[in-house]
Amino acid sequence: AQSVTQPDIHITVSEGASLELRCNYSYGATPYLFWYVQSPGQGLQLLLKYFSGDTLVQGIKGFEAEFKRSQSSFNLRKPSVHWSDAAEYFCAVGAGQAGTALIFGKGTTLSVSS
Amino acid sequence: NAGVTQTPKFQVLKTGQSMTLQCAQDMNHEYMSWYRQDPGMGLRLIHYSVGAGITDQGEVPNGYNVSRSTTEDFPLRLLSAAPSQTSVYFCASRGLATGEEQFFGPGTRLTVL
Repeated sequence: AQSVTQPDIHITVSEGASLELRCNYSYGATPYLFWYVQSPGQGLQLLLKYFSGDTLVQGIKGFEAEFKRSQSSFNLRKPSVHWSDAAEYFCAVGAGQAGTALIFGKGTTLSVSS
Repeated sequence: NAGVTQTPKFQVLKTGQSMTLQCAQDMNHEYMSWYRQDPGMGLRLIHYSVGAGITDQGEVPNGYNVSRSTTEDFPLRLLSAAPSQTSVYFCASRGLATGEEQFFGPGTRLTVL
């Protein structure tokens, strides 16, 4: 069965510093992988996705992620964090037939210090 | 397009009561799914559907029923609510093409006393 692990429950980064959020997945075939962001009291916003092709994926708000099959990882990065990036971040893998639905990790809460 | 709509936005139930959370989408999406979100647990998949008349269980299906009689609607039924079902529930839909984005509804906050 598919599963997603986000090892870091909470991360604090200084504004302007770089960010990397870790995500490891378990899946037998080539996975469909996603990163979502959720601000407090808000819904989910898709940051980026990978399903084939170039293993370095660019997303919105300056985020990128790299798919590494050998490490079963799909880490999210941003070169310079802004205070508005403080939120909860979820990694997800496509589940079911053709990735009908998603299996999410438990999330990483990002705090940004000034 | 309204996208994915969910009703009600908030609901309080007593233990043992039943209710249906409604989900509808106007994008003609074949794939629909239900999730619950709890603090520290992320979102967990309850049930999903690949089209009208076809549903399957997700990670946490116990205590919930679904049916899919039309492409547009995918209601989630709680037959006998329990306090452990207190959560925020999200419905989502997506199209058939590989790698398509899931569109999420605004959520229903359910409290079971």
